[in-house]
Amino acid sequence: AQSVTQPDIHITVSEGASLELRCNYSYGATPYLFWYVQSPGQGLQLLLKYFSGDTLVQGIKGFEAEFKRSQSSFNLRKPSVHWSDAAEYFCAVGAYSSASKIIFGSGTRLSIRP
Amino acid sequence: SAVISQKPSRDICQRGTSLTIQCQVDSQVTMMFWYRQQPGQSLTLIATANQGSEATYESGFVIDKFPISRPNLTFSTLTVSNMSPEDSSIYLCSVDKGGVTDTQYFGPGTRLTVL
Repeated sequence: AQSVTQPDIHITVSEGASLELRCNYSYGATPYLFWYVQSPGQGLQLLLKYFSGDTLVQGIKGFEAEFKRSQSSFNLRKPSVHWSDAAEYFCAVGAYSSASKIIFGSGTRLSIRP
Repeated sequence: SAVISQKPSRDICQRGTSLTIQCQVDSQVTMMFWYRQQPGQSLTLIATANQGSEATYESGFVIDKFPISRPNLTFSTLTVSNMSPEDSSIYLCSVDKGGVTDTQYFGPGTRLTVL
């Protein structure tokens, strides 16, 4: 069965600084990988997804993520954060054989320092 | 993507009562999912709802507590029955539009508080 680990519970970065949120997954084959963002009081919005092909994936709002099979990682990056990026970020993994079920990590809360 | 709405957006309920949450999507989808997000926690899948068949529940969730209906390809309901304060959570529905990649799109959620 697949699983996801987000080792950082809470991260604070200064506005304009770069950001990297860590995600490690466990799955025996090539997984689907997703990053979702949840703003306070809101549902989840899909930032980006990896299915196959190019391991560097571009998403919305200037985010990107890189799939590294050797490290079982799918870290989310942004070169310069904005105050509006403060939110909860969830990494998730799906699998070809799991009837569309995806498993979510525990989330990383991002705070932005003015 | 998909446009998903949920009703109600939030509610405060008394212990022992039941609440039905509605999920409406703007296009026909095969698979709909219901999740629970307890305060400060991640999302936990309650069940998968396919039109024309019984919902499939995850370990720890039962139909008597969380009955689900899926009458057509754009609509589903989740009922939280005989509520207790431990049921206070955000309940989210999501849809998978199928195709090559399995990508789920989420509704805005229903914030439930049980007193």
